[in-house]
Amino acid sequence: EVQLVESGGGLVQPGGSLRLSCAASGFTFSTYWMTWVRQAPGKGLEWVANINQDGSETYYLDSVKGRFILSRDNAKNSLFLQMNGLRAEDTAVYYCARGTGSFDIWGQGTMVTVSS
Amino acid sequence: DIQMTQSPSSLSASVGDRVTITCRASQSISTYLNWYQQKPGKAPKLLIYIASSLQSGVPSRFSGSGSGTDFTLTISSLQPEDFATYYCQQNYHARSFGQGTRLEIK
Repeated sequence: EVQLVESGGGLVQPGGSLRLSCAASGFTFSTYWMTWVRQAPGKGLEWVANINQDGSETYYLDSVKGRFILSRDNAKNSLFLQMNGLRAEDTAVYYCARGTGSFDIWGQGTMVTVSS
Repeated sequence: DIQMTQSPSSLSASVGDRVTITCRASQSISTYLNWYQQKPGKAPKLLIYIASSLQSGVPSRFSGSGSGTDFTLTISSLQPEDFATYYCQQNYHARSFGQGTRLEIK
């Protein structure tokens, strides 16, 4: 079964850090671009970042540039989002998704709450 | 940045109705437009890609059309499981989503 499973979310204070992980299975992870999309409570979807197959290219939403770092480990079929300098407006469910143009496989999401 | 605007923001309809949701881009995006369905507490699901291509496994009552700046998602005959929120998304330049259209039961 093709599957993405996120982990690592939680409650963090403003200015803190969190590392999200996304474990892929059921497909050849190393051949796909991967993406993070987030959704604030009660709000719409917002693209956050994406990474190419070998990790040499990454692109970010302007508001997270310089704070978030996207990486991947193809040997472990895993995607990572290191989030530093977290702000209240980063509070959201974070989804990892397969693809870069359209996103055909999504994880169940992991909740990140930034609050004191 | 490319802004995506959906209309209406919410819609009430009955089972069996034909429903159309519109998505407008702030500049031409050719056919780099995708549609998703999201149910409460669940991840989005890809329905349509490249404006009019039906994703594998998606019922044929869903269809998409348009190019340039104006796009539509049509559900030909609403089923109970179609009541959800729908989002358009462009991938012409960077990536951005519409604000969503909530489809409710009348």
